[in-house]
This record gives sequence, structure tokens and C-alpha cells, in this order.
Amino acid sequence: GAVVSQHPSRVICKSGTSVKIECRSLDFQATTMFWYRQFPKQSLMLMATSNEGSKATYEQGVEKDKFLINHASLTLSTLTVTSAHPEDSSFYICSAPPGQGGGYTFGSGTRLTVV
Amino acid sequence: DQQVKQNSPSLSVQEGRISILNCDYTNSMFDYFLWYKKYPAEGPTFLISISSIKDKNEDGRFTVFLNKSAKHLSLHIVPSQPGDSAVYFCAAKRTGANNLFFGTGTRLTVIP
Repeated sequence: GAVVSQHPSRVICKSGTSVKIECRSLDFQATTMFWYRQFPKQSLMLMATSNEGSKATYEQGVEKDKFLINHASLTLSTLTVTSAHPEDSSFYICSAPPGQGGGYTFGSGTRLTVV
Repeated sequence: DQQVKQNSPSLSVQEGRISILNCDYTNSMFDYFLWYKKYPAEGPTFLISISSIKDKNEDGRFTVFLNKSAKHLSLHIVPSQPGDSAVYFCAAKRTGANNLFFGTGTRLTVIP
């Protein structure tokens, strides 16, 4: 089945630094990738949608200059958290639209801790 | 605005019994619903889905029921197994859109 590989799985960074999270579709081409964020004991909230070859679409309240999204190819989408702050600490996860079987495919997630 | 709600944060069930997880939604434009299972620090794993043109979909031990008039869906797991212990999320998709709206999850514990 479809697999989305997400790296890193866990990262700790200092305040003010930037962190890049990668999601790769391993055996299929993803023209769209959804980026979600999950705070503890809350649901996954859509942050933005990346589209190969065009600008990402951000949800209301998400700072596009802080969360840079790039969809460089049909198999790679990246999220860069710039000038990270402790309040950016969260679980970030990507998802590709449904393939066979109807289920969206999720990456394994990235636990970001900003200290 | 939480358009998909799971009002029970946790549920405990004896092994072999039925687990029933509930989900309510507010947006009548949702036309596709999914259930996911999630372990800590991992991505959600797709379990089962249902289109709004159906009221039931079954896959092995998992059955999803949809009541459109009540804007309610439920996931039945029978018989429940200890390996089913995880957090279960329901999700919904709007007509014409591809992104999912998630509930807050229900932690299922199956007691051996």
C-alpha cells in the first residue's frame, strides 16, 4: 500500500532556530500533501496544504512566514518551522490524499520540542 | 470550531466484548467519514470508511454505522482484543475538499 515516510521522528531544538520536517511518498506520486499539528489531548488540526508546483494554502491563523511549506517534487513535501519558540512544540504530521482503499495515508509524525 | 466531536475521551472494555466508539459532526456538507487508530508518537492508521450514501460498512471485526439525520457515526469492534487498545479518531471530509476534519479521539482500553 501507499507509504509516506516522515523524518525526523523526534527533534529537540533551541529557541530561535529553524527545523525542517520532510515527508516523502515512497511508492506513489503526491501532488498534494496535508500538514497537521496535534497538541496534547487535542485533535489533529490542519495547518496547510502543499501543492506541487504552486504555493501552499494555509488555514486561518497559521503564519505562513513561520511555517514554510515547500512541495519541490511529486514525492517530497517539507515543512520548516522558522524561529521556533517553545509554544511551537507539538506533534506535526503529514498526510497524502486517498489512494486505493479510500484511506488517507499519514506519515509517522514528528515530535518537535523547542527548548 | 470543532466540527467533529468525540465526546467520550476514554472507554474500557473487556476482551471479547463489543467496543462502541461514537462520533458526532455538525457540518452537513461532510460526505465521507473515516476511522483511524493511533498509537503514541505514530501516525494514524486507517481502519475503515463510509460514504454518506451508505449507512453501514463492515470490514472484519470493524463496522461503521452512519446516521445522517442525527449527524452521528459509530465504530463497532467485535470481538475486542487487547491489541485494539489505542486512541481512535473519527474524521470527516467535506464535499469538494480533500482535507480531513478530526475529532479529539477516544482512548480505548481492552482489558484482558
